[in-house]
Amino acid sequence: AQTVTQSQPEMSVQEAETVTLSCTYDTSENNYYLFWYKQPPSRQMILVIRQEAYKQQNATENRFSVNFQKAAKSFSLKISDSQLGDTAMYFCAFWGSSGDKLTFGTGTRLAVRP
Amino acid sequence: ETGVTQSPTHLIKTRGQQVTLRCSSQSGHNTVSWYQQALGQGPQFIFQYYREEENGRGNFPPRFSGLQFPNYSSELNVNALELDDSALYLCASSLVIGASYEQYFGPGTRLTVT
Repeated sequence: AQTVTQSQPEMSVQEAETVTLSCTYDTSENNYYLFWYKQPPSRQMILVIRQEAYKQQNATENRFSVNFQKAAKSFSLKISDSQLGDTAMYFCAFWGSSGDKLTFGTGTRLAVRP
Repeated sequence: ETGVTQSPTHLIKTRGQQVTLRCSSQSGHNTVSWYQQALGQGPQFIFQYYREEENGRGNFPPRFSGLQFPNYSSELNVNALELDDSALYLCASSLVIGASYEQYFGPGTRLTVT
């Protein structure tokens, strides 16, 4: 079974600064997808970024980018130019060959300070 | 395009009772998944439905059951409620079964069991 570990329960960053959230995972599969989701206080789970394991190039979406290290099974999220609206819980998630579910980490609570 | 909706928003039930939660998939989506998110945890996969049949199931007892209707709306039923069933229940829909990693989440139903 796959596992996803987020070792930072809470993080804090000054507005306009850069912050990196960590995620590691364990799998024996070679083809899979990795995701970062944002869950603000409104509870809606919002997809931030997706990475396909077969792609060596790191995914980027505007201010959000990932550092995907397949051999190390590491998948970190970098948020540049942090904004107050980035304050939320961030979840790392794995989608594997079972094809029926996302496996989530326990989340990192990010606070952006004005 | 209408997003994923869930009802009710909040619900309070007594231990031993039964509850039904509802989800309307995003327009055109034929796959729906349900997740349970306990306080301070990441979502846990309950099951997935595709074309009105269960397509995969997580580690949840049989008292958690579901339905998917021809219009792709869905229900989650929980019998004999226990205190530990208190959680946020998230519904997610996907456009096609082959790409069901593209999951769009609803805002969730907060269930409290007393």
